[in-house]
Amino acid sequence: NAGVTQTPKFRILKIGQSMTLQCTQDMNHNYMYWYRQDPGMGLKLIYYSVGAGITDKGEVPNGYNVSRSTTEDFPLRLELAAPSQTSVYFCASSYGTNSNQPQQFGDGTRLSIL
Amino acid sequence: GENVEQHPSTLSVQEGDSAVIKCTYSDSASNYFPWYKQELGKRPQLIIDIRSNVGEKKDQRIAVTLNKTAKHFSLHITETQPEDSAVYFCAASSNSGYALNFGKGTSLLVTP
Repeated sequence: NAGVTQTPKFRILKIGQSMTLQCTQDMNHNYMYWYRQDPGMGLKLIYYSVGAGITDKGEVPNGYNVSRSTTEDFPLRLELAAPSQTSVYFCASSYGTNSNQPQQFGDGTRLSIL
Repeated sequence: GENVEQHPSTLSVQEGDSAVIKCTYSDSASNYFPWYKQELGKRPQLIIDIRSNVGEKKDQRIAVTLNKTAKHFSLHITETQPEDSAVYFCAASSNSGYALNFGKGTSLLVTP
């Protein structure tokens, strides 16, 4: 199993540009998550999904959108990039019926908005 | 989300000493408490977790204790080694049932 795979690993965007961060997992996990990690800070939840076709907002959803058309994929969309969205983005997944299961993380996408 | 407070934010120990990181949580319904280790530039990786029906769990040099009454849990690393240097995050399951609430992390430095 490859686990959780994120692409790209690095990206530089100009203010106002759009992009999609890709996340795919091959563990048949039903739960998937997007976090952002700012320097010296913890992980803040952006969006999560409990299964295909179901998504919900986390702590910091403004400026982002997600979709979950398949069990495997959970892309994160930035529509109008702003400097405040410069961060490291982690996708994670877990299996179960609630949050009481270990989450496995991808390697992250390092995004800079200039 | 519910608060998870983590202390200290930085910790420096000498090789061979023990390290203790403490977390408190506010949601009495939380029943799952994982700990993650994040090396510089890498992904967070689960190192140990504990559920609310257990008071203590050990895995070689790592142990976690849970005090449900006081709503706090701790990570204990014994016989620390330089490769233990990393940022450690605690987390607690949330009342939403779907997400974890993370602490802000502890940067541990083990000096030879």
